[in-house]
Amino acid sequence: SQTIHQWPATLVQPVGSPLSLECTVEGTSNPNLYWYRQAAGRGLQLLFYSVGIGQISSEVPQNLSASRPQDRQFILSSKKLLLSDSGFYLCAWSVLAGEGEQYFGPGTRLTVT
Amino acid sequence: GENVEQHPSTLSVQEGDSAVIKCTYSDSASNYFPWYKQELGKRPQLIIDIRSNVGEKKDQRIAVTLNKTAKHFSLHITETQPEDSAVYFCAASGGTSYGKLTFGQGTILTVHP
Repeated sequence: SQTIHQWPATLVQPVGSPLSLECTVEGTSNPNLYWYRQAAGRGLQLLFYSVGIGQISSEVPQNLSASRPQDRQFILSSKKLLLSDSGFYLCAWSVLAGEGEQYFGPGTRLTVT
Repeated sequence: GENVEQHPSTLSVQEGDSAVIKCTYSDSASNYFPWYKQELGKRPQLIIDIRSNVGEKKDQRIAVTLNKTAKHFSLHITETQPEDSAVYFCAASGGTSYGKLTFGQGTILTVHP
C-alpha cells in the first residue's frame, strides 16, 4: 500500500531564517505531487504541483519554492521566512492527473516568530 | 481557472439528524468532485467522490449528488453521530484545472449528542 511521509511534524522558526520541508511517498511510482498551505484551520491553497522529476508548477507568487530531486521526493523551501508563511503545510500525491484521488500526508505545522 | 463556493460555513445539528453541505463550481469542464473530512489538527481524509458520468453515489451514511447542468454538488450525511464533527471540504478538478484540485472554503460541522 502507498504511504506518504512528511517531516518535520512541527517547526518554529524566526523571521528571516531558511526553510526546508520534505515529503516522500512509498509504494507507488511516478506520482503527481502537491504542496498545499492551510491557514487558520480553514481553506487549502495549492502552492506547487509536480508531474515528474524536475517539473514544478507554481500556483501563486510567494516567498517559497519547490523541488523534486527524485521521483517520490518533494521539497518545499524558503531562503527567508516571513511571518505570513506560518501555517499547516500539507503534501499530497495522486496517481492520475485530472481525475485521480489525492491523498494527504500528515502535515507540518510551521510557526514563524 | 476553477472557483468553488461552499455553503454553509458552519452547520450545527443534533445527533441522529441529517446534514447537507452544498458546493458550486464555475468550470463546466470539471469532471471529478471529491469530499474531504478534516478533524482538528489532522490531515484531510477523502471520504467520498463522484465523477461527472454519475449523478449520485452512496457509501453507508454518506452520499454525494451531482447536478452538472446547474454546476453544483452536495454531501449528505444521515443519522449523524458526534464523531462526524469535523471540517468538510469539497473540491473540483478536471477541465482547465487538469490535475489540480480547487477546494471550497470548508464547513465546520458540529453534531451535538
